[in-house]
This record gives sequence, structure tokens and C-alpha cells, in this order.
Amino acid sequence: DTAVSQTPKYLVTQMGNDKSIKCEQNLGHDTMYWYKQDSKKFLKIMFSYNNKELIINETVPNRFSPKSPDKAHLNLHINSLELGDSAVYFCASSQGREETQYFGPGTRLLVL
Amino acid sequence: TQLLEQSPQFLSIQEGENLTVYCNSSSVFSSLQWYRQEPGEGPVLLVTVVTGGEVKKLKRLTFQFGDARKDSSLHITAAQTGDTGLYLCAGGDNTNAGKSTFGDGTTLTVKP
Repeated sequence: DTAVSQTPKYLVTQMGNDKSIKCEQNLGHDTMYWYKQDSKKFLKIMFSYNNKELIINETVPNRFSPKSPDKAHLNLHINSLELGDSAVYFCASSQGREETQYFGPGTRLLVL
Repeated sequence: TQLLEQSPQFLSIQEGENLTVYCNSSSVFSSLQWYRQEPGEGPVLLVTVVTGGEVKKLKRLTFQFGDARKDSSLHITAAQTGDTGLYLCAGGDNTNAGKSTFGDGTTLTVKP
């Protein structure tokens, strides 16, 4: 069973479109995260939710809106996609805010 | 802003050689994690160190947390081709909702 899963794995879209990435964890964790990894492999946190409540919101354009319908899911919606949004987006989860994070396989987003 | 710098950024060695990767910061972290990421996959946790001066061994891998909890090192003995990957250190901050700051990564290639 996959612990942290993301869909889709690949996403190719045109500039200006709106798209969503979904993340689910079956580990029973109460904290979930979204990270962006750029072409230089730098991994930067975007958002963190604890029990469906937003606890970390880094300097991210408001075109990015996370939604946590329950503590096992954290989805990421992106409006008006731009070329610079092309990256690999990773979802992760942990038991608590300071515990080990388990990462999903990533979603490779390419904006044309 | 907390920053973690890893060195070297790229490392290419022959199988059987030893190597050390460094992770340095001017900030103090409550914990430090090392991850390995293989192409097309998410980062996978190798170890967490929490006490200044702590040394942990994982088979051929030795991890050390600096006494002041600002830096860490990863030493691999007798590298194998399976050690190839991107190594990421991440510092945990229990004063900031458990936010993890990732280093800029070290890409290791072990040639047969």
C-alpha cells in the first residue's frame, strides 16, 4: 500500500489554465505539507496543514490555494498557471509537526 | 531566514571510495534529517539527529550533528553504485510550527 500518494504524476498544461493536484496519506498522520522542487533540485516548503488547519504559509502567490477536506487529504489548486510554476510538487505527511516527514512520489508539472 | 548549505554540490566517485557530505548553517536547529532522493521519486528519510554531537550509524553511513546543532555531516564508507542519488539535509525548527528547511542538495554519482 502506498503511504503518501499524489495524482497526477505528470501534468502538462498551457499557460493561464487552472489545475489541481491531489494528495492522500493512509498513515493516520495529522500534518501534511506541499513542497516545490525546482530544476536545481531545491526543495522549498509552500504550505503545511495540521488537522485540516493551515499552520505554515510561505511566500507563495495567492494563485496557489491548498484545501484539506480531511486530515488524510491535502489538495493543491493552482489558478492562472505561469511558466515559472513548472516544477515537481511533493506532498508529505508527518505524525506531528516536528516528526519525520514521508514524501509522495511527486507531480511533475510542465507549463507551456 | 534559515539557510542550509550543502557541500559539495556534485560528487562523482568510483565504487569503493569513501566520501563526506557537509551541511552547514548559521542557524541552530532542533533536529536535523538526512534524506536520499532517487530520480523520479520523493525524498526518503535516512536518519534524524536531535542532540548536539550525536553520531548515528546506518550500515556504511555515518551521520554526525554538530555540537552547536548548526551543522551536520554524512560519511559513506566504501561507496556502492546503489548509493547514487540526491542527498538532502533538512533542519527542523520547533519554534516555527516544526517547519523544515532543506539544504540545496548534493548529487552523488558512484561509478562502477
